[in-house]
Amino acid sequence: GQQVMQIPQYQHVQEGEDLTTYCNSSTTLSNIQWYKQRPGGHPVFLIQLVKSGEVKKQKRLTFQFGEAKKNSSLHITATQTTDVGTYFCAPTGFQKLVFGTGTRLLVSP
Amino acid sequence: AAGVIQSPRHLIKEKRETATLKCYPIPRHDTVYWYQQGPGQDPQFLISFYEKMQSDKGSIPDRFSAQQFSDYHSELNMSSLELGDSALYFCASSLEGGDYEQYFGPGTRLTVT
Repeated sequence: GQQVMQIPQYQHVQEGEDLTTYCNSSTTLSNIQWYKQRPGGHPVFLIQLVKSGEVKKQKRLTFQFGEAKKNSSLHITATQTTDVGTYFCAPTGFQKLVFGTGTRLLVSP
Repeated sequence: AAGVIQSPRHLIKEKRETATLKCYPIPRHDTVYWYQQGPGQDPQFLISFYEKMQSDKGSIPDRFSAQQFSDYHSELNMSSLELGDSALYFCASSLEGGDYEQYFGPGTRLTVT
């Protein structure tokens, strides 16, 4: 199956700092989705990327799909305490998600 | 808006007992997925159903079985429970196909003692 690694696994930032988390695959991906899971919560869909080199923005979040469709990134600008949680990338495949290892984000006020 | 409903939210069972988890998808969603998430782990896909037929299978133990009913709700049956089965079990639903976003329920926390 597809193996997707995310780096870093943990990120602790001060409120207001920027950060980027990366999602790397050994194989070419068709699509990739990003989910956020707050502590004690369930995964919540953020975005889906389909096209090579695609960039999508949601307020302070910028998602990018690599040109070769083997990697993706999430950049958060001016982090807030509400950004705390684990961010998972998940390549889509027939009828299932294969979650990446996740990046756990902590934000200190 | 209606969300995915899971019941029960918490379940405590002893080793070798059985458990049944229920999932009610968002109205008009015809695909249901089950995931298992251990402490500090990412969700692992177990099984999925589309139009009441099993559509994909992941790392689901043979002790577990699942089905989707005519009203699209799904049940995950777990027998001969082991300590290692203690986890958070999520159900998710979507429209047809693996390329649509999945909406997750709040999860059932199963504790096996």
